[in-house]
Amino acid sequence: QVQLVQSGAEVKKPGASVKVSCKASGYTFTRYYMHWVRQAPGQGLEWMGIINPSGGNTGYAQKFQGRVTMTRDTSTSTVYMELSSLRSEDTAVYYCAREGITISLGFDPWGQGTLVTVSS
Amino acid sequence: SYELTQPPSVSVSPGQTARITCSGDALPKQYAYWYQQKPGQAPVVMIYKDSERPSGIPERFSGSSSGTTVTLTISGVQAEDEADYYCQSADSSGTYVFGTGTKVTVV
Repeated sequence: QVQLVQSGAEVKKPGASVKVSCKASGYTFTRYYMHWVRQAPGQGLEWMGIINPSGGNTGYAQKFQGRVTMTRDTSTSTVYMELSSLRSEDTAVYYCAREGITISLGFDPWGQGTLVTVSS
Repeated sequence: SYELTQPPSVSVSPGQTARITCSGDALPKQYAYWYQQKPGQAPVVMIYKDSERPSGIPERFSGSSSGTTVTLTISGVQAEDEADYYCQSADSSGTYVFGTGTKVTVV
């Protein structure tokens, strides 16, 4: 079955960087976009960006431009999201989610989420 | 930046109908999607392309579109439908965006 398994929780200090991984299985990795979405405690969903695993092309929300980098490793069917210059407002659960390239059925499925805590 | 506006909360009695709206200027030209999120869980897609229902999603969930507003309707609400619901779409440049979210309470 299709699965997205994310790396474990992280605690970082302000100014540091964090790199979260999302390992895909059960489907052809290069045929689906991967998105990153975050959710601060008690808040709504916030789209961060997208990567096309086929060519590695990326697109980022303007809010995160210059601070986020999304990459992929096709040999392990894994995508990565690195966020730099962390501040307390970046404390959130970070999700990866798949979307079809040819036909979109929405973001499906989602990873289990990775809690990133930014605290001094 | 582009925004999708939802009511913060909707209350409904079991067996009644809940309607959640989502408004955005680009909705006439971009598809909308709806997600259900229960506490401590990842979101799940309930409706795609305005009104299509994925396999495994109960028939009581339906979606519709009219102009700059899309609507998620839950007919015959059940206690298990209590959750947060988010619409999602894109702006004219293809940037994805989520709605502000609606908490559905079954009272």
